[in-house]
Order: sequence, then C-alpha cells, then structure tokens
Amino acid sequence: GIQVEQSPPDLILQEGANSTLRCNFSDSVNNLQWFHQNPWGQLINLFYIPSGTKQNGRLSATTVATERYSLLYISSSQTTDSGVYFCAAMDSNYQLIWGAGTKLIIKP
Amino acid sequence: KAGVTQTPRYLIKTRGQQVTLSCSPISGHRSVSWYQQTPGQGLQFLFEYFSETQRNKGNFPGRFSGRQFSNSRSEMNVSTLELGDSALYLCASSAEVLRQYMNTEAFFGQGTRLTVV
Repeated sequence: GIQVEQSPPDLILQEGANSTLRCNFSDSVNNLQWFHQNPWGQLINLFYIPSGTKQNGRLSATTVATERYSLLYISSSQTTDSGVYFCAAMDSNYQLIWGAGTKLIIKP
Repeated sequence: KAGVTQTPRYLIKTRGQQVTLSCSPISGHRSVSWYQQTPGQGLQFLFEYFSETQRNKGNFPGRFSGRQFSNSRSEMNVSTLELGDSALYLCASSAEVLRQYMNTEAFFGQGTRLTVV
C-alpha cells in the first residue's frame, strides 16, 4: 500500500518565522489533504490539494503529483499555529493513509 | 452550517466493558468514516458508512463495529474493551462515499477521547 512520510517530525520556531513542511508519498494519489490538529485534538481541514498550488491567508500548499510530494508553507507564524500538521493520501483501497505528522511549536 | 459533531467528548471505561460513540455529519453529507488515533500507531482507518451500509473497513478486530442511521448519523461500538483501545476516535463526514469519489474532501469532528482503565 501507499506510504506517506512527513518531515520534519518536530519543528520549533519563533513567532514571525516562516516554515515549510513536507509530505512524500510512495505512489500516485488522487486525493491528498493537509490537516492541522490543534492541542485539543480537533482536526481542521487546511487544503484539499491532489495537485497544483493553493493559498489561504498565511498558509499555502503545493503538490507536485508527478514527483510524489506536497509542501505546506506557513508564513509569519503565530502561536496559534502550534499543533500537529498531517497530510493524508488516499490509497488504492480508498482509505485515507496518514503521515505521522509534523509537530510544530511556535514560541512567543 | 454546523460541522461534524461527536459525542461524548471524553469517556472513561473499565476493561471488559463496551462503549458506544456517536457522530453526526455535516448536514447533507451522507458518508461517515471513523478513525482511531493513538501515539504509537498514529491515525488508522476503522470503517466508512454510506446510506446505512458499511462501504469500507480497515484492519481492526470484530470488537469494533458501527452502524449508520437513515439521517446519516453514525455510531461506533467497541465491545470487551482492552487497555490498548484507549485512543482519540475521530469521525469524518463527506458528501459522497470516499470509495467511489476519490476526490471527495473529508471534514472531521472534534473526536472522542476514550480512556480504558
């Protein structure tokens, strides 16, 4: 089945810094999403992005399907950006396969 | 419109007991999927229901079961609880069944944190 790997596993930044999170997947995908899990466990949809580039405020994402990776960019980080960022891709059994996540801590 | 609602938010149960978790999807969504999240295994797919039928199932023992009602609300049941069942259980709502519409986006509830003691 498909493998989804995220890097880095942990990231600690000062408020105002920019960051890039990476998601590699082992096979072609039709469905790739980025989520933010806040400290209370809620998973928030960030982007549905099987290919191309999308932007939403300080966040943007790019998926290069032919090279099997996706990037999530966070600019001008705020403490509320802290949490775990997951990417998830759909495998051939139509199940969302999740990466292990990147734990982001933004220090004030 | 209202998001995905999961109840209860927190549960503490004893080994051997059973538990039922509830998930109400976004209005108009007909698919509900369930996931288990643990520190050791990460997020794992349990099953997906659409129009009251289980459409897909992950690799979990038969102690984990679910159902969906005509109003698309779903319940998940875990029988004979084990310590390892302690986890955050998340449900996701989507407009169409993920199996048939691979470009369908899933929206998650806040989860139910189950602790088995």
